[in-house]
Amino acid sequence: DSGVTQTPKHLITATGQRVTLRCSPRSGDLSVYWYQQSLDQGLQFLIQYYNGEERAKGNILERFSAQQFPDLHSELNLSSLELGDSALYFCAGSPGQSSYEQYFGPGTRLTVT
Amino acid sequence: AQSVTQLGSHVSVSEGALVLLRCNYSSSVPPYLFWYVQYPNQGLQLLLKYTTGATLVKGINGFEAEFKKSETSFHLTKPSAHMSDAAEYFCAVSYNAGNMLTFGGGTRLMVKP
Repeated sequence: DSGVTQTPKHLITATGQRVTLRCSPRSGDLSVYWYQQSLDQGLQFLIQYYNGEERAKGNILERFSAQQFPDLHSELNLSSLELGDSALYFCAGSPGQSSYEQYFGPGTRLTVT
Repeated sequence: AQSVTQLGSHVSVSEGALVLLRCNYSSSVPPYLFWYVQYPNQGLQLLLKYTTGATLVKGINGFEAEFKKSETSFHLTKPSAHMSDAAEYFCAVSYNAGNMLTFGGGTRLMVKP
C-alpha cells in the first residue's frame, strides 16, 4: 500500500458525459502527477501539480483538466467523453521538487460505453 | 524527445530460472532510471532506481539492475524467478528530480512451474 488513495475504483459512463477522478497523495507529498494507461498508448503522463500550481503538461487533451486543492488532493476532470478515453487513470505523489520517487495510487478504471 | 524501449512485451521463464528484462533509453543526456512493477488490478510499485553513484542498484524482492551508459541500457535481473514475480514490469526515465516519468511499453513476465 503506497498510501495514495484514488476514488472511485471503477467508473462506467456514457459517451459525452463528464466525470471527476479524485486523488489524495500521502501526507506531506506536495507534487501530484496524473497518468493514463491504455492498451494502445501505454502509460502516458498527463499533468503535474506542485503545491497547488500546474507544473508540467504532457499529452493531456483539451477536454481534460485538473486542479490541486489547498489540502493537496487533486481532481482530474474528463469531459465530452469518447470511447477512446476508456483507460486506467493513475495519480502519483511525490514529496517535492528534489525527489525522484513517485508513489502511485491503485488507479481508477474508466469505461466509456 | 526521450524514449524508452523495452525489448519483449512478454517474457516467460521457469520457476528458479534467471529473469532478464531489457530496457534501453534514447537520450544524449543520461537520465534517472526506474523499474516499476504492476501486479494485476494494482498500481505501480517502485522496484529500484538509479540516480547517481554505483551503477549496479539493488531493489526489492531480489531484483537488481545495472546502468550502462555506453549501451544506454538499464536491464533488470533476478537470479531465480518465483511464481510471485509474475507481473508487468515497466522501465521509466526522468531527467530531473521532481519531473514526470516517461515509461516504456512494459514487459509481462510469466513464470512457469
